[in-house]
Amino acid sequence: DTAVSQTPKYLVTQMGNDKSIKCEQNLGHDTMYWYKQDSKKFLKIMFSYNNKELIINETVPNRFSPKSPDKAHLNLHINSLELGDSAVYFCASSHLGGGILANGYTFGSGTRLTVV
Amino acid sequence: DAKTTQPNSMESNEEEPVHLPCNHSTISGTDYIHWYRQLPSQGPEYVIHGLTSNVNNRMASLAIAEDRKSSTLILHRATLRDAAVYYCALAGAGSYQLTFGKGTKLSVIP
Repeated sequence: DTAVSQTPKYLVTQMGNDKSIKCEQNLGHDTMYWYKQDSKKFLKIMFSYNNKELIINETVPNRFSPKSPDKAHLNLHINSLELGDSAVYFCASSHLGGGILANGYTFGSGTRLTVV
Repeated sequence: DAKTTQPNSMESNEEEPVHLPCNHSTISGTDYIHWYRQLPSQGPEYVIHGLTSNVNNRMASLAIAEDRKSSTLILHRATLRDAAVYYCALAGAGSYQLTFGKGTKLSVIP
């Protein structure tokens, strides 16, 4: 059973389009995340949701809009895609106790977004 | 947020122990130290984490300096399957996030 699953795995699209990436976890975790990995393999957090509530929104263009319909899902919608959005996007989940990440994240396998 | 510094790359011979260092000189007292590894074309995989004491699990050992300003991930016998990028990361209390370093690319030589 896949613990954190993301779809699609690959996404090639033209500049200006709108696209969505879906993420689901079956671990019963209460917190989900979106991370962006650039071409230099640097992992940077974009958003974090705890029990469906947004708790971290890093300096991300407002073209990126996360949505968490329930604790098991966190989707990422991107409007007006730009060349610089090309990257690998990872969804992850964890359980937070008292706001402290005392255990590990579980990551999905990533969505490679290419904007042409 | 506290930052971590790692060497860009390291090499190890197969079946030898590997010590992967990480510096985190600005770590706060409640930051947990995490290690992840990423195989090519896969998502990062949790390896181990700790707060103050050294930790062991089936994958690796984590040695934390007494002042907590550095840590070392120890792979006891490197195999070809251990070739990956290893990330050191910190999780601050109340920050709800992991802040990753730039990672060390480990190559294992047969």
